[in-house]
Amino acid sequence: QVQLKESGPGLVQPSQTLSLTCTVSGFSLTSYNVHWVRQPPGKGLEWMGRMRYNGDTSYNSALKSRLSISRDTSKNQVFLKMNSLQTDDTGTYYCTGTGSSGYFDYWGQGVMVTVSS
Amino acid sequence: NIVMTQSPKSMSISVGDRVTMNCKASQNVYNNIAWYQQKPGQSPKLLIYYASNRYNGVPDRFTGSGYGTDFTLTINSVQAEDAAFYYCQRIYNSPTFGGGTKLELK
Repeated sequence: QVQLKESGPGLVQPSQTLSLTCTVSGFSLTSYNVHWVRQPPGKGLEWMGRMRYNGDTSYNSALKSRLSISRDTSKNQVFLKMNSLQTDDTGTYYCTGTGSSGYFDYWGQGVMVTVSS
Repeated sequence: NIVMTQSPKSMSISVGDRVTMNCKASQNVYNNIAWYQQKPGQSPKLLIYYASNRYNGVPDRFTGSGYGTDFTLTINSVQAEDAAFYYCQRIYNSPTFGGGTKLELK
């Protein structure tokens, strides 16, 4: 059974760095892609970036300068780090899995992050 | 960058009605489109992939169509549980979501 679960701090201060972890089970990170998607309160979905099965990464151009995605295959974990957080980075952050098909068929439950002092 | 535009932004319909919502890509995306349903407090769920393929377990009242730049999600005989936000997405490369359509029941 494929599962993804996000974890991380619920509150981050402005200008600080957000660190989130996506722990996966039921599949190998060396055969599946993991993406990060976020959603501000009451707004739509925004693709943030991707860790491919082969270790390559790609990022939303609007976030690229602040965003880094990495992984630890031995722990079945994918990490998101985003610096210089502002209040408009507040929202729910999801990790989601795709195979070579490209569509997001597995989603985590999401983690709510609030940027506030 | 490809922009995905959904219309209408919201719609209010009655149980049993047929509803059609649209998604327009700023460039040709062939059939590389997915549709997702999201209910309040829940993660999005995949409904349709490659523009017209129903995902596992999705009721057959949900139908996707289109190719190139114009796509449609149709729900035949809407049920109360279909009240949700619906998002289209260009898949592959830099996946991009549309702004969403909110479906409300009268």
